[in-house]
Amino acid sequence: SQQGEEDPQALSIQEGENATMNCSYKTSINNLQWYRQNSGRGLVHLILIRSNEREKHSGRLRVTLDTSKKSSSLLITASRAADTASYFCATDANQGAQKLVFGQGTRLTINP
Amino acid sequence: NAGVTQTPKFHILKTGQSMTLQCAQDMNHGYMSWYRQDPGMGLRLIYYSAAAGTTDKEVPNGYNVSRLNTEDFPLRLVSAAPSQTSVYLCASSFPLYEQYFGPGTRLTVT
Repeated sequence: SQQGEEDPQALSIQEGENATMNCSYKTSINNLQWYRQNSGRGLVHLILIRSNEREKHSGRLRVTLDTSKKSSSLLITASRAADTASYFCATDANQGAQKLVFGQGTRLTINP
Repeated sequence: NAGVTQTPKFHILKTGQSMTLQCAQDMNHGYMSWYRQDPGMGLRLIYYSAAAGTTDKEVPNGYNVSRLNTEDFPLRLVSAAPSQTSVYLCASSFPLYEQYFGPGTRLTVT
């Protein structure tokens, strides 16, 4: 079964609004990562947050991690049309560095 | 740097045929991985390699890999089946750091 599960599966908002996506996982982790995938393309890394970190920022992105609840959230502020994409969380499931397990993703649509 | 490159971008294969998907990176990353992505799904790890000369399988048969050097990590479909129709993504990274993905190979098995 999937280690990371995103919620919601799809999200549609107006340009300029904030978008929040959530990820839950099942086992202990070393780190959790968020990736973006534009239609028909490869994945692009957004943020990596380690298990001893609680919050991380990168530009308009903010990621939080709650290891007690085994959950993470990705907040995109002041959304733009170019943010339309699928967003995936990935965990290493504490199996060793790079055996990532991905969730099914959240499909984000930004309406002009 | 070219990053992670994959060839071909698209391919149609007949059931029972074999082929090799190419993946190369020029960032001197030790870790390389192959994932498959099916419609509406996340990525599923197929094979990974922690360094040249080592590989580890994550899913059952039908695939084979080799890691003869740091740069290249080809994925071979031994005898293609329709269930292997998918988008194949290759990635590389340093340990405990983010992965860099190639653009993918869209494979159809008829």
